[in-house]
Amino acid sequence: SLELTQPLSVSVALGQTASLSCEGNNIGSKNVHWYQQRPGQAPVLVIYRDTNRPSGIPERFSGSNSGNTATLTISRAQAGDEADYYCQVWDVITVVFGGGTKLTVL
Amino acid sequence: QITLKESGPTLVNPTQTLTLTCTFSGFSLSTSGVGVGWIRQPPGKALEWLALIYWNEDKRYSPSLNSRLTITKDTSKKQVVLTMTNMVPVDTATYYCSHWDMIGVAGFEYWGQGILVTVSS
Repeated sequence: SLELTQPLSVSVALGQTASLSCEGNNIGSKNVHWYQQRPGQAPVLVIYRDTNRPSGIPERFSGSNSGNTATLTISRAQAGDEADYYCQVWDVITVVFGGGTKLTVL
Repeated sequence: QITLKESGPTLVNPTQTLTLTCTFSGFSLSTSGVGVGWIRQPPGKALEWLALIYWNEDKRYSPSLNSRLTITKDTSKKQVVLTMTNMVPVDTATYYCSHWDMIGVAGFEYWGQGILVTVSS
């Protein structure tokens, strides 16, 4: 079954750009969704179908997906972006989540 | 406005069966393309998908937990029920239900607040 690999942690300076990766075999052929989870809260969908932002998600959040890597990019990082981020796909008939990346804003 | 809320026991004895209910509003589980899924998260760990039921009664389960899970829906009550048998301490987690729309966003866009279930004697 498909496994999604995310770095355990990523750090970004305040106001700079963070790139969070999600690696999986031929993930570029699948729709990737990204979730933000702040401590003690339920996950929030921030990117769906690779590149789309739900209503209310800032334009600073963007996504891409090609080959074996999907990427969530957060521009002009803010303190409030500090959270865990999870990628997710459908693998045939099952849902798969990545292991999550903890984003620290310095 | 779509909302979901999980309910059920917060403490379960080992070997018991867990029954969780997701009560939702703002959408119908008879609408084509719509589903409700269950996802759990052990303390300090990653999200883990458990099961999903579609508007047409189609059901999907995590391969690793398939033998222990059952998901059902009551469209008129706007509820989805998840049962998990033979609970063990490693099943201690926050359990979330979430709205899925395969035609629209196709991600888990709306989530319940979650319910922390502890497995302990």
